[in-house]
Amino acid sequence: GAVVSQHPSWVICKSGTSVKIECRSLDFQATTMFWYRQFPKQSLMLMATSNEGSKATYEQGVEKDKFLINHASLTLSTLTVTSAHPEDSSFYICSARDFGRSLYEQYFGPGTRLTVT
Amino acid sequence: AQTVTQSQPEMSVQEAETVTLSCTYDTSESDYYLFWYKQPPSRQMILVIRQEAYKQQNATENRFSVNFQKAAKSFSLKISDSQLGDAAMYFCAYRSAHPTQGGSEKLVFGKGTKLTVNP
Repeated sequence: GAVVSQHPSWVICKSGTSVKIECRSLDFQATTMFWYRQFPKQSLMLMATSNEGSKATYEQGVEKDKFLINHASLTLSTLTVTSAHPEDSSFYICSARDFGRSLYEQYFGPGTRLTVT
Repeated sequence: AQTVTQSQPEMSVQEAETVTLSCTYDTSESDYYLFWYKQPPSRQMILVIRQEAYKQQNATENRFSVNFQKAAKSFSLKISDSQLGDAAMYFCAYRSAHPTQGGSEKLVFGKGTKLTVNP
């Protein structure tokens, strides 16, 4: 149980285009979802926290107009990188919380590798 | 703001031996959770072990155990009988226990320790 999927697993896009990454909780309802960014050989940095049906809370320094997060249902959150540039190339990981299942655990997706050319 | 420090960028261990990964943290909160996550080459984050700050007893999960020193704000991970499959990046992480009472639900990660297991 507690499986989180991400799609796509790897995406290449041209500079200036937008790309959408999906995060789904497959067997539970995710009251809260988190989006992280991980540069090569570095740690995970939280970008934003989203609760179903409300606006995402972005961490300081994260451009909300560039990284659009939508948590439209209890099983799906999307991250859209708008007008992507090569510096946006990174590994994006989502995680999900089910408050009814665990007070503390976040279940992580397998990540999406974004390459902007 | 809370911080997590892992001072060992890389560690290596012989198969079947024991290795300890270090983690220190800084917080003004009294109640929180600490975690060790494993990230193998597949990049999938896997929860290895967790510790509730209010518990004095150190957590244990099979070959993995922690040494939690609350006063020293230290949280080390011991891997016993190391196996080739233990090779991965290991991240120490902190989370407030009461996010609705001024804390945060977010995980704060250390920079990670790359563990190599030699056959």
